[in-house]
Amino acid sequence: GAGVSQTPSNKVTEKGKYVELRCDPISGHTALYWYRQSLGQGPEFLIYFQGTGAADDSGLPNDRFFAVRPEGSVSTLKIQRTERGDSAVYLCASSLAGPYGQFFGPGTRLTVL
Amino acid sequence: GQQVMQIPQYQHVQEGEDFTTYCNSSTTLSNIQWYKQRPGGHPVFLIQLVKSGEVKKQKRLTFQFGEAKKNSSLHITATQTTDVGTYFCAGYSSNTGKLIFGQGTTLQVKP
Repeated sequence: GAGVSQTPSNKVTEKGKYVELRCDPISGHTALYWYRQSLGQGPEFLIYFQGTGAADDSGLPNDRFFAVRPEGSVSTLKIQRTERGDSAVYLCASSLAGPYGQFFGPGTRLTVL
Repeated sequence: GQQVMQIPQYQHVQEGEDFTTYCNSSTTLSNIQWYKQRPGGHPVFLIQLVKSGEVKKQKRLTFQFGEAKKNSSLHITATQTTDVGTYFCAGYSSNTGKLIFGQGTTLQVKP
């Protein structure tokens, strides 16, 4: 079956612009996670969905970041008024509910000029 | 907040030598997971350890979970060039339902 997919694979934008990053999890996985990874660092937790609701959004850096998962499947990470410091690879992962291994997508490389 | 530390940050070995990376959490964990990320790739789940003192093996890889469930290690016997990549441990807390990743250990293997 298909793995986790993310679009776009690369996004270049200008400072101050709005971007949306999409994640399509593995079918049947109720848990969905967003991470941000900078060069030489481990994935940094942003937000975790269980079904349609955000179970934990404590990792979102500030109110410019927002994520939704309206039907409990596809999720969109939205970043307003992008800043150069937002440049990173944004990873999405999904898993079965509970303490199971997570399956990561290929990531979206965001570059803010 | 919860922190997960890994050492060393980098390790260069000659093919055939052994390799170990160590992981320490600031808090007691429900379980610990290990991931491998190849250069240019994304993290791939390797294994999960749940029980205190648990040891699991996958071919040349041996994973251990400490008695206090605050530390873990990954040992690779007789490294091969295919082992190249960054190995991450990630601590799972059942209280929060989220994984906290260490900063990873990058392994280079010289043929």
